[in-house]
Amino acid sequence: QSVLTQPPSASGTPGQRVTISCSGSSSNIGSNYVYWYQQLPGTAPKLLIYRNNQRPSGVPDRFSGSKSGTSASLAISGLRSEDEADYYCAAWDDSLNVVFGGGTKLTVL
Amino acid sequence: EVQLVESGGVVVQPGGSLRLSCAASGFTFDDYTMHWVRQAPGKGLEWVSLISWDGGSTYYADSVKGRFTISRDNSKNSLYLQMNSLRTEDTALYYCARDIAAAGTGFGFDYWGQGTLVTVSS
Repeated sequence: QSVLTQPPSASGTPGQRVTISCSGSSSNIGSNYVYWYQQLPGTAPKLLIYRNNQRPSGVPDRFSGSKSGTSASLAISGLRSEDEADYYCAAWDDSLNVVFGGGTKLTVL
Repeated sequence: EVQLVESGGVVVQPGGSLRLSCAASGFTFDDYTMHWVRQAPGKGLEWVSLISWDGGSTYYADSVKGRFTISRDNSKNSLYLQMNSLRTEDTALYYCARDIAAAGTGFGFDYWGQGTLVTVSS
């Protein structure tokens, strides 16, 4: 049981906009930054969004993050086949742990 | 180019011990907090531990507290994870990851290694 709650799966067709949610509590998302990671099959995770809504250099602006209260979202616009991957949200929790969501498997139909 | 290379993963019996290493290059190692994150086969990511740039602060997930010890040797640009009293549920790919914040702790991970596999089985 993960501390942060994500839908186990999401899907979309090429060109569509997809949103992945991440729900937490006042001790994690509500009071700390949210991070998003993309894990392509068979590879290490990659930082996608940091500090709620910032993109590292090299991450396309098709990816965007937002946070409101104790929830956060990752939006992917102009969906492409190479976006098919597992996506994880994470945040520091005031109980002195980094907590992750259970991950969302994105399928591009 | 930032590189993190983990090593030390093997098959070990329950109750056994193991030390993982992570060799860092391409950045000023002692500027950064470092983390271990693991992923059980077919499962999600689980944070394990962090150590501050100078080794003065360490934190652990409840699942490993009292059994695992994180350490670093800044003279060797290396990070370590001593794992004792291993359990079958510790079986996972263990990643070394750099904290996103230089001279601080941001609790995000901007660079990851490729991982080293630890299998706990009799």
